[in-house]
Amino acid sequence: EAGVAQSPRYKIIEKRQSVAFWCNPISGHATLYWYQQILGQGPKLLIQFQNNGVVDDSQLPKDRFSAERLKGVDSTLKIQPAKLEDSAVYLCASSRTSGGRSFGPGTRLTVL
Amino acid sequence: AQKVTQAQTEISVVEKEDVTLDCVYETRDTTYYLFWYKQPPSGELVFLIRRNSFDEQHEISGRYSWNFQKSTSSFNFTITASQVVDSAVYFCALGGGYQKVTFGIGTKLQVIP
Repeated sequence: EAGVAQSPRYKIIEKRQSVAFWCNPISGHATLYWYQQILGQGPKLLIQFQNNGVVDDSQLPKDRFSAERLKGVDSTLKIQPAKLEDSAVYLCASSRTSGGRSFGPGTRLTVL
Repeated sequence: AQKVTQAQTEISVVEKEDVTLDCVYETRDTTYYLFWYKQPPSGELVFLIRRNSFDEQHEISGRYSWNFQKSTSSFNFTITASQVVDSAVYFCALGGGYQKVTFGIGTKLQVIP
């Protein structure tokens, strides 16, 4: 079984620029999550999709972050415009309805 | 509100020693899941175990064991005969409601050869 795929693995941008991350979950996993992990902290859930509907986006800074999951498979997370404090690893995970989450390798974002 | 506390931020042990990672949680949910994840230096989070709130038992899997005690709201994780490859950050996590998962800040384990 192929794991969760994410791209790019690394991204360096300047503040106020835009950036997008892509995630392809494990086949058959209906639930997809985006987490933000700041250095030295645990992952924080940004948004959770069930198929292509949003289940929880309470911690997503909606003034600058957006995410979509078209057709209930792949997902894209966008930041526009980026701030210095957005520097973090962005982790995508997927799961069946009640299983443990499988995480992707993450995208390490550095905002200068 | 859910909360996960991992009081040990960093632990160092010598190879072959046993080590226990502590996790204490708070939740108002009556049904919930507890998880342990490992994050090696490569950065990828590796799922280790999930327990549900009705399954309060001590479990052993190879060198790993878990001790879930609802009376003390603890879900501790023990590595027996630690190895250098066990060096990583270990996260305890709590899932409640519709699977919203809250992670602790992690415990960094360093196993010294």
